This record gives sequence, C-alpha cells and structure tokens, in this order.
Amino acid sequence: DQQVKQNSPSLSVQEGRISILNCDYTNSMFDYFLWYKKYPAEGPTFLISISSIKDKNEDGRFTVFLNKSAKHLSLHIVPSQPGDSAVYFCAASPLHYSGGGADGLTFGKGTHLIIQP
Amino acid sequence: GAGVSQTPSNKVTEKGKYVELRCDPISGHTALYWYRQSLGQGPEFLIYFQGTGAADDSGLPNDRFFAVRPEGSVSTLKIQRTERGDSAVYLCASSPGRNNEQFFGPGTRLTVL
Repeated sequence: DQQVKQNSPSLSVQEGRISILNCDYTNSMFDYFLWYKKYPAEGPTFLISISSIKDKNEDGRFTVFLNKSAKHLSLHIVPSQPGDSAVYFCAASPLHYSGGGADGLTFGKGTHLIIQP
Repeated sequence: GAGVSQTPSNKVTEKGKYVELRCDPISGHTALYWYRQSLGQGPEFLIYFQGTGAADDSGLPNDRFFAVRPEGSVSTLKIQRTERGDSAVYLCASSPGRNNEQFFGPGTRLTVL
C-alpha cells in the first residue's frame, strides 16, 4: 500500500510557464515532507522541504505548499527552465520534530517533468 | 567537498552469488541510510545507521540482506544468495544528524542474471 502517492507519472510544461507537481499521502503520522530531483544515472538531489507546522515554503523558483487536512502537497516551479527536466520525488517522514522518527524516508514513485522549449 | 560515493557503479552477478556494495558518506556525517530503487518505483528504505549501530533495519526485505558500518564512516551492504528480484539500484545517503536533509550517492546498479 503506497503511503506517498504521485499520481502523474509524467508532466509536460512549456518553458517559462509554471510547473505544478502533486503529491498525496495517507499516513497521518507524517509531519515532514521533502522534494527531491533526479537526473538519469545520478542520485536524488534535495530541492526543498516543509514541516507540518507550515503551509508554504519558498526557495527561489521553487515553492512547496502543504494542505494537511487534505493530506496533499504540491511543488510549484516558476518559471520552468529546460534544466528542470528530471524526475521529481515526493518524500515524507514521521514524527520529525518530536524527534521520534525521521529515520527512513517514504518516497512516491516520482513524476517525470519535461520542459519543452 | 566530496559528496557521497558508491562503488561499484554497476555490478552484474549470477543468481545465488554473494555481493557487497560500498558506500562512502560525506565526511563528518553521522547518519547513513541505504535505499533500494526498482524500475518505475521510488527509493525504498532499507536500513539506517547512527554512528556504528543500525538504529533501524526494518526495511531489510529478509535475512539475506545485511549491512555494517564498523567505524562509523564507510558502510557495506551485503546480499547473500542473490535472486533475480534483487536487481535494482541501491542508493546510499548520509546526513549530518538524524533529522537533517539526506544527501544521496549516485547508486550501484545491481543486475542478477
């Protein structure tokens, strides 16, 4: 049973436009969420994170939104650039700020983002 | 500074053989993680070390899988009697502490024929 779900295997966006990647989770114990970006033959690279005490976190062109009641988060990339083409993974961790967990991350299956010129 | 390194980058073995995969974490990182990524899936947690000890090995699929980190730095993932279903990319990550961002290595692609 997938506890972190990325329902769009792929997404195609025109260069300069906004890319929105979505992620849903089922485990209510998750309280820390991360987005990773992965190029072929490389390991995932950390992009941005958000804790459950916030509903938004912004870093340059990347913004993550968290809707706890809906158990949903999204990553916005504005403006999208060709170098953003990659697979994006949503990941989650439980009990982060209470110090009880944050051992292994639970990942979604990823969304392949393609930025078209 | 150097990132997480993993060797070998590719490993092809025959069913039933024993393999060892090595991870060199970022210097000074106390936490080390192993994940497995099968085709079309996200990384799946296997085991977490804090220092030399395995703090959480709940993700290891069975007793054919074992990992060590004897000096609190380099870690080795060991797989006995390999099966075709073990074919995957094995990723290692390290972090400065338990509740910090994890930095991933490039992975070892294991193919069991």
